[in-house]
Amino acid sequence: SSDLTQPPSVSVSPGQTAAITCSGDRLGDKFACWYQQRPGQSPVLVIYQDDKRPAGIPERFSGSASGNTATLTISGTQAMDEADYYCQAWGSSAVLFGGGTKLTVL
Amino acid sequence: VHLVQSGGEVKRPGATVRISCKTSGYTFSDYFMHWFQRAPGEGLEWMGLVDPEDGKTFYSSNFQGRVTITADTSTDTVYMDLTSLRREDSATYYCAVTSYCTSITCPPDYWGQGTLVAVSS
Repeated sequence: SSDLTQPPSVSVSPGQTAAITCSGDRLGDKFACWYQQRPGQSPVLVIYQDDKRPAGIPERFSGSASGNTATLTISGTQAMDEADYYCQAWGSSAVLFGGGTKLTVL
Repeated sequence: VHLVQSGGEVKRPGATVRISCKTSGYTFSDYFMHWFQRAPGEGLEWMGLVDPEDGKTFYSSNFQGRVTITADTSTDTVYMDLTSLRREDSATYYCAVTSYCTSITCPPDYWGQGTLVAVSS
């Protein structure tokens, strides 16, 4: 089982907002990040330190954190956003990972 | 920043696999290099990292004792050895570097293309 809990799947209509949560007892005082992985491709970092976007990541991707939950929000979701999303945090002497959420854009 | 990994491998159970990650486009010794595993039907899993400046490593407890990550500063290449292979180690392995931050807790932002390892008798 994973250290961090994510919903296995989230569905969203094109143009709508998708929210993916990540929760864990040990998440509260740690920075969370989010990776996107499309089928057959390498992962891409889309959010780091809870809410920062790396260069080149579209503004529709945003992150937030409160208590023991981090959230990735995709506004105006596009078909190209369909992918697996993973949250990660650095714990005490360990890297914590979520099990991944499959985002489907219907 | 470019990370180019070695090609796919087929190994027998109990064997060792070595995957290389050739880097370019940045100062090799300045940033941590991570390794991840993605097994079919499973999620991403972090395996460990190396500080190329001094060779210090930090491994996931899930792979401790079976994984060794080394950095060769003469060729700007990082290697990941995984020993005592079992069928469940069949996966794609990725190297990834954190190019924007020198803290060990900053997640990597550049990834290699992945190396597929198949473990089969």
